Amino acid sequence: NAGVTQTPKFQVLKTGQSMTLQCAQDMNHEYMSWYRQDPGMGLRLIHYSVGAGITDQGEVPNGYNVSRSTTEDFPLRLLSAAPSQTSVYFCASSLGLAGGREQYFGPGTRLTVT
Amino acid sequence: AQSVTQPDIHITVSEGASLELRCNYSYGATPYLFWYVQSPGQGLQLLLKYFSGDTLVQGIKGFEAEFKRSQSSFNLRKPSVHWSDAAEYFCAGDDMRFGAGTRLTVKP
Repeated sequence: NAGVTQTPKFQVLKTGQSMTLQCAQDMNHEYMSWYRQDPGMGLRLIHYSVGAGITDQGEVPNGYNVSRSTTEDFPLRLLSAAPSQTSVYFCASSLGLAGGREQYFGPGTRLTVT
Repeated sequence: AQSVTQPDIHITVSEGASLELRCNYSYGATPYLFWYVQSPGQGLQLLLKYFSGDTLVQGIKGFEAEFKRSQSSFNLRKPSVHWSDAAEYFCAGDDMRFGAGTRLTVKP
């Protein structure tokens, strides 16, 4: 049982490049989410999904796309990277949205955009 | 907007001393509240959560938190801090909003 896995661990992009951050979970959780962590700002929700085929925007969705074709996977796409997207990205999953359910976090991806 | 606030960005305590990390919330109804810990270079791990009933909640690693409706607070406490407790601590609500975090440094 690997929990929530994220790849890559580190990534450097040039402005304008695109990439996909991968996230997978093996706990059969319906709910998955993406956060970015910036100094002094805590974690901010980018996008989330309540099940395969269903996604919604969080607090800071601009510049990011997601899709959820399977229960296990929830990739985050940056279509045209900008320096403002330099951050640490965390994927999380839980049994459901709200209702006091614990979120399980991946180890994070540190992204630098130059 | 409903949210949680952590007033302290950084706290330093001596090993063996007691610890209290503050969290204030601004939800109307009785909220679900969480404390997570993030060790350096790691993801977040749940320490404890509150959703109803007993206002004193016990968590892992010897942590506890007390829900005080009158003060809109959910402060995290530990009676005796260990060097391995050095980490960043986040308070969170059930709406997926996190506080800014409090970084704990433990002095030998």
